[in-house]
Amino acid sequence: GQSLEQPSEVTAVEGAIVQINCTYQTSGFYGLSWYQQHDGGAPTFLSYNALDGLEETGRFSSFLSRSDSYGYLLLQELQMKDSASYFCAVRSSGGSYIPTFGRGTSLIVHP
Amino acid sequence: NAGVTQTPKFRILKIGQSMTLQCTQDMNHNYMYWYRQDPGMGLKLIYYSVGAGITDKGEVPNGYNVSRSTTEDFPLRLELAAPSQTSVYFCASSLSQFDMNTEAFFGQGTRLTVV
Repeated sequence: GQSLEQPSEVTAVEGAIVQINCTYQTSGFYGLSWYQQHDGGAPTFLSYNALDGLEETGRFSSFLSRSDSYGYLLLQELQMKDSASYFCAVRSSGGSYIPTFGRGTSLIVHP
Repeated sequence: NAGVTQTPKFRILKIGQSMTLQCTQDMNHNYMYWYRQDPGMGLKLIYYSVGAGITDKGEVPNGYNVSRSTTEDFPLRLELAAPSQTSVYFCASSLSQFDMNTEAFFGQGTRLTVV
C-alpha cells in the first residue's frame, strides 16, 4: 500500500519562512505533488516533483529526495492569505498512477 | 472556462435515500476521480475513471457507484445513504498519468449530510 506522513499543524508569523515536510512509503514511485486548500474550498495544485531537487515557483518551492522518500514544501515571505491546509500527494505506478493524498498540514500564519 | 463543475453544492439526505452527485469537466481530460474528505482528514479516493466506459474502485468504494458514459461526465451514485457518508465530496480530473507536470483540477465540492 501507500502511506504519507506530514505534520498536522504548523504555525508561523507573517514574513517568515516555513517548511512543511512529507515522507512517503509507496511502490513504484512516480512523483510528489503539493496542493493548497483554503477552508471550505477546493484543493488547488501548487507543484509537482518527479526528479530529485528543488522546484521554485514564486514564493513557493518544493523539494524531493527519492532516495529518502521525502519531500518538503517551502513557503517564503509568508502572507496571511497563506493560512490554509497543504497536502502532499504521491503518484505511484502501483495501480493506475492515481494520486494518493496525505492528511494535510494546517498552516496558521500570525500577524 | 468552467473547469470541473459539481452539483449540488449542498444536500441533506435522510437515511436510506438515494442521490446522484453530478460532475462534468470541459477540459477533455481522460482521468476523473471522486474523493471524499472528512473533517481534519485528507482526501480518500472513492472511484476513478481512466476514460469513457472504464471505471475502477479506489480506497473507499463501498456504498457508492459510478458510471462514465462520456469523457465529460462522471456522476457518483449513493444508493442507500448512511450517516457514515456525511462528508465533503470532491470530483477532480487530469489529462493523463504520463504528464511530467500532472495537475488534478478539482470541483468546488458537494457538502452532504445524512440524517
